[in-house]
Amino acid sequence: GAGVSQSPRYKVAKRGQDVALRCDPISGHVSLFWYQQALGQGPEFLTYFQNEAQLDKSGLPSDRFFAERPEGSVSTLKIQRTQQEDSAVYLCASSLPASDEQFFGPGTRLTVL
Amino acid sequence: QKEVEQDPGPLSVPEGAIVSLNCTYSNSAFQYFMWYRQYSRKGPELLMYTYSSGNKEDGRFTAQVDKSSKYISLFIRDSQPSDSATYLCAMTRTGGFKTIFGAGTRLFVKA
Repeated sequence: GAGVSQSPRYKVAKRGQDVALRCDPISGHVSLFWYQQALGQGPEFLTYFQNEAQLDKSGLPSDRFFAERPEGSVSTLKIQRTQQEDSAVYLCASSLPASDEQFFGPGTRLTVL
Repeated sequence: QKEVEQDPGPLSVPEGAIVSLNCTYSNSAFQYFMWYRQYSRKGPELLMYTYSSGNKEDGRFTAQVDKSSKYISLFIRDSQPSDSATYLCAMTRTGGFKTIFGAGTRLFVKA
């Protein structure tokens, strides 16, 4: 595809459910980022991958959050036992090596009831 | 205190006005400064990217960085209704990949 794609675009979960959010980066982009964007706020860094290696996960809010990119392409962000405070838009971005320009996907809007 | 402060607005201007958007930051390690535009229900898109202090111009957009004051600005000339969006400042450290974003300023340009 031409850009970063994310699925699903919208997800409603009951509190306590597990969810999995998918990101398909631009082909050839080795760097992949996940961000959480609360309503009316800027994106907050969650984690960063270079190929399949997760180099920084310091932004993950709790051990209920887990991200993987096993083959260095598609990435999945998993949230276990969702809580209401997890409601946000989850953005994925990818970039070329040695480039600071990140290309963002449209995001997944997660609502936890 | 947040590392990056940005007035959330909203900012409402008439078409053709010059718009000034600003951010302040506290960490002197930030070296790369960016402005993103985000339309409703879309991901952010990069508008301007600058390194260190100085000005950079691209069409109707000018980005300005003053590292001594820890202050960055984005100017939009001849604003258009299509410029109505949220503008996010962002910055990273040298050798770093963790980008810190401001809260975003909502801009409305009235026709």
